[in-house]
Amino acid sequence: EAGVAQSPRYKIIEKRQSVAFWCNPISGHATLYWYQQILGQGPKLLIQFQNNGVVDDSQLPKDRFSAERLKGVDSTLKIQPAKLEDSAVYLCASRRPGTGARNEQFFGPGTRLTVL
Amino acid sequence: AQKITQTQPGMFVQEKEAVTLDCTYDTSDPSYGLFWYKQPSSGEMIFLIYQGSYDQQNATEGRYSLNFQKARKSANLVISASQLGDSAMYFCAMREIVSGATNKLIFGTGTLLAVQP
Repeated sequence: EAGVAQSPRYKIIEKRQSVAFWCNPISGHATLYWYQQILGQGPKLLIQFQNNGVVDDSQLPKDRFSAERLKGVDSTLKIQPAKLEDSAVYLCASRRPGTGARNEQFFGPGTRLTVL
Repeated sequence: AQKITQTQPGMFVQEKEAVTLDCTYDTSDPSYGLFWYKQPSSGEMIFLIYQGSYDQQNATEGRYSLNFQKARKSANLVISASQLGDSAMYFCAMREIVSGATNKLIFGTGTLLAVQP
């Protein structure tokens, strides 16, 4: 089966500009996650969707970040306006339905954002 | 709050030797899951192995095994017969259950493994 797709792979913008990232999860995966990974750190969850509803967005900086998952399939993460500290890799992950003990998340290749 | 600690920023290992990557965790939840992911330079996180808190035996997946010591709250990854392709960042993660939501992962800071020929 095809993996999690993300685009673009790389993006360079100036501070105060806006940017959007796209993610297409594995077919049939109801749960979708966006993570932010700053250089030298582990990924940090920004937002979790279950189908097209938000389950957890407690760590999403809502004054500048927004995300949507229309129709419960692909998702878009937007930053407006960007700050220097937003430079990071943005990872999208998905998980199939069910509450099995393992049920691991599958990750996409990420989008590397550089804010100048 | 749940926390994952990886104390080894970097490790070297000779090809064909075994290596252990350390991970300790902190949680008050009796039910949790522990994961190891590999992140090569390409950036994608690759699932390696899973250990549930109630599992009686240590998990194994091919050359990967998990040394799970529940009382010490440690979940070390053992890679046997290291290969050059094992050079990557390795992250330990714990599954957190928050208000009915499942599978929120808390990650450690990672260990960079370099396999030398």
